[in-house]
Amino acid sequence: AQKITQTQPGMFVQEKEAVTLDCTYDTSDQSYGLFWYKQPSSGEMIFLIYQGSYDEQNATEGRYSLNFQKARKSANLVISASQLGDSAMYFCAISREEKQAGTALIFGKGTTLSVSS
Amino acid sequence: DSGVTQTPKHLITATGQRVTLRCSPRSGDLSVYWYQQSLDQGLQFLIQYYNGEERAKGNILERFSAQQFPDLHSELNLSSLELGDSALYFCASSIRDSYGYTFGSGTRLTVV
Repeated sequence: AQKITQTQPGMFVQEKEAVTLDCTYDTSDQSYGLFWYKQPSSGEMIFLIYQGSYDEQNATEGRYSLNFQKARKSANLVISASQLGDSAMYFCAISREEKQAGTALIFGKGTTLSVSS
Repeated sequence: DSGVTQTPKHLITATGQRVTLRCSPRSGDLSVYWYQQSLDQGLQFLIQYYNGEERAKGNILERFSAQQFPDLHSELNLSSLELGDSALYFCASSIRDSYGYTFGSGTRLTVV
């Protein structure tokens, strides 16, 4: 079975600072994908970034980067230059890689990020 | 707009009742997934359909059922509702592999 652990229930950061949200995972699959989603107070799930288990380079998407350490089974999200609009709940998730039909995402409990001015 | 449409956005109903949540996937997506998000259980996978067939089951209660129709829209049926079923129910769709996942905006169900 796959499992995601997010140990930081809440994180506080000031505007323009960088912040790292921790995520460790457990899986027996050789091929898998790691995701980060943002959920603002309005409730929608916003996709941020994806890392495939065989990707050699860390994924980046604008101010978001994923620090992927396969041997340590960690996939931390780094947000550079935090903005007030980054205040939200952040979820790490894992899925199997199955090209035909896709598979469900298994989510962690989430980390609440609060950005202050 | 993510392209995944969920209706209704809000639903208030009484214990013991039955409700149906509807999801229209993004155009071209064959897989539909249902998730439940509650304060105590977090985000939990319920069930997946792929091109009309049930593909995978997660923590879905026997009181809950789902189906995917030939036009690929999906419905989640919740019956004999209990207070603990109050949650945000998400639908997501993907064309094939997991990378293309897209979530709808969710249906907030309140059981009173």
